[in-house]
Amino acid sequence: GQNIDQPTEMTATEGAIVQINCTYQTSGFNGLFWYQQHAGEAPTFLSYNVLDGLEEKGRFSSFLSRSKGYSYLLLKELQMKDSASYLCAAPGAGAGSYQLTFGKGTKLSVIP
Amino acid sequence: GAVVSQHPSRVICKSGTSVKIECRSLDFQATTMFWYRQFPKKSLMLMATSNEGSKATYEQGVEKDKFLINHASLTLSTLTVTSAHPEDSSFYICSAREGAQGYTFGSGTRLTVV
Repeated sequence: GQNIDQPTEMTATEGAIVQINCTYQTSGFNGLFWYQQHAGEAPTFLSYNVLDGLEEKGRFSSFLSRSKGYSYLLLKELQMKDSASYLCAAPGAGAGSYQLTFGKGTKLSVIP
Repeated sequence: GAVVSQHPSRVICKSGTSVKIECRSLDFQATTMFWYRQFPKKSLMLMATSNEGSKATYEQGVEKDKFLINHASLTLSTLTVTSAHPEDSSFYICSAREGAQGYTFGSGTRLTVV
């Protein structure tokens, strides 16, 4: 099965940097996703990591360590609009089992 | 990029009635679609995997007779909530998988049962 764990809530200041951690235990590994979700809206794709290391994409970066079952999402130069829930998700690894399992999400509040 | 269209975006229905939610892949064929439910301040919980031309696979605890899924074509999956009750009020989201890495989500349906 899949078990994904991330903090429930975080607060950070506008302009700062915040790191949202995610630990996972999965039966097999088929990559790790990060999504952003604003209240009442569908998730939007942020990143996908399948190899170890840091992938940078503008203000957002994502890191993966497969040996540690650990990932983080790094948000730089925080803006008020970054206030949202951030979801860590992993797809199934068995044949034909590609459904995404989501963590509970980290609600990020950006304050002035 | 890939687009998934989900309708309706909001629906209010009376207790005991049925509601159908549609999920369409607009520019790609989706042999597999996923239906999620999300309660307020909670994460997305997978309800079922919809397979084109075959029966859906339901997650443990999800009543297949209550949440009817039909995936009759490569671009359309429907979820029908039958005999809806207030506790079925939730945010329902569909997702389609395109290729090895691409998961595209519909915009979600806010169901309120009164």
